[in-house]
Amino acid sequence: DAGVIQSPRHEVTEMGQEVTLRCKPISGHDYLFWYRQTMMRGLELLIYFNNNVPIDDSGMPEDRFSAKMPNASFSTLKIQPSEPRDSAVYFCASSPGGERYFGPGTRLTVT
Amino acid sequence: GIQVEQSPPDLILQEGANSTLRCNFSDSVNNLQWFHQNPWGQLINLFYIPSGTKQNGRLSATTVATERYSLLYISSSQTTDSGVYFCAFTGGGNKLTFGTGTQLKVEL
Repeated sequence: DAGVIQSPRHEVTEMGQEVTLRCKPISGHDYLFWYRQTMMRGLELLIYFNNNVPIDDSGMPEDRFSAKMPNASFSTLKIQPSEPRDSAVYFCASSPGGERYFGPGTRLTVT
Repeated sequence: GIQVEQSPPDLILQEGANSTLRCNFSDSVNNLQWFHQNPWGQLINLFYIPSGTKQNGRLSATTVATERYSLLYISSSQTTDSGVYFCAFTGGGNKLTFGTGTQLKVEL
């Protein structure tokens, strides 16, 4: 298995632009998680899905953030409009229930 | 929520040395995992260890759930072991909470 796949690996954008991050979970995993990592706050859970349904989005910082999972093999995290304080590494993880497997992350820089 | 204390926060080792990293929890936890975040930022699964002991090469881990702690042992450390080591766990739900990490540097 290729593991969790994320794209792009790096994204640099200007403030106010829309950013879309993508994730392909490991086949057969029922859970998908989006995390954000910053120096100040460490690793934070933003949202997670079970069988493509959003279960807990209490970690989504504000309405500028949205996440979808249209099918079992694809999820997106969208930020619109982006702000400099959104700069971070965004990780996607999947799980069959229990152990989590993380993708390589997307390093987002908003200037 | 459940509090986790990871120790030591920083560690410098000479190549070939052994070390023990620890996580203490304020309450019972589930789905305990150990991760290594390498200098390139990748989070690598080391162990999924809700209880008991596991070994993988030079690394091993022990979780004593009844006493609310977990240990990660690194033997014969190598420079490639450098990075941050996190323990992570879930409480009553599916939210995986990370400890603050141990920053390890292995020197020649």
